[in-house]
Amino acid sequence: DVKVTQSSRYLVKRTGEKVFLECVQDMDHENMFWYRQDPGLGLRLIYFSYDVKMKEKGDIPEGYSVSREKKERFSLILESASTNQTSMYLCASIGGGENNEQFFGPGTRLTVL
Amino acid sequence: LAKTTQPISMDSYEGQEVNITCSHNNIATNDYITWYQQFPSQGPRFIIQGYKTKVTNEVASLFIPADRKSSTLSLPRVSLSDTAVYYCLVGADRGSTLGRLYFGRGTQLTVWP
Repeated sequence: DVKVTQSSRYLVKRTGEKVFLECVQDMDHENMFWYRQDPGLGLRLIYFSYDVKMKEKGDIPEGYSVSREKKERFSLILESASTNQTSMYLCASIGGGENNEQFFGPGTRLTVL
Repeated sequence: LAKTTQPISMDSYEGQEVNITCSHNNIATNDYITWYQQFPSQGPRFIIQGYKTKVTNEVASLFIPADRKSSTLSLPRVSLSDTAVYYCLVGADRGSTLGRLYFGRGTQLTVWP
């Protein structure tokens, strides 16, 4: 089975802190994604990466950066966390199979105080 | 990216068939239609994908009319465990490995006993 794991299920940080959210997939997928999910807004794409050291902005990249130093790992970075970044963060990877489906991790519930 | 419109919520009872319709007026020739399911505190998971006419798998059926401007996800004989948010997406050409998707707000399906 494809497995996408995220470093934390729940995280509490303070305003101004630098926050790292880690995502690892074990299926050698090339493409990885970071979304945030908020009530009433669905999933919104923050950043995605189609190869090591490559990244593309999604729909809401402001306040975030990403790092893809190894194929299996895609990190989301909040340089200076703010309260409006309190959200559920979901990582996904895609294998390019017949259905081109995305495999999601369990999510990280981040609270910024 | 083609955007979609689907009902915010639906209610059903156990054992009934549920049909969730999605509008995607701006679907492109190469776009596929994909549905995902999301349970609380989990990432979305792939249900079904189609291009035209009808697709059926062990979980659901997908009906797509000839003009492809809408699609209907059909869940036969729902149970309480089918309570979830259902997302309709268009895009991600099957031949593409990039898989950039627009999730939207989804439809909250609640199944009652």
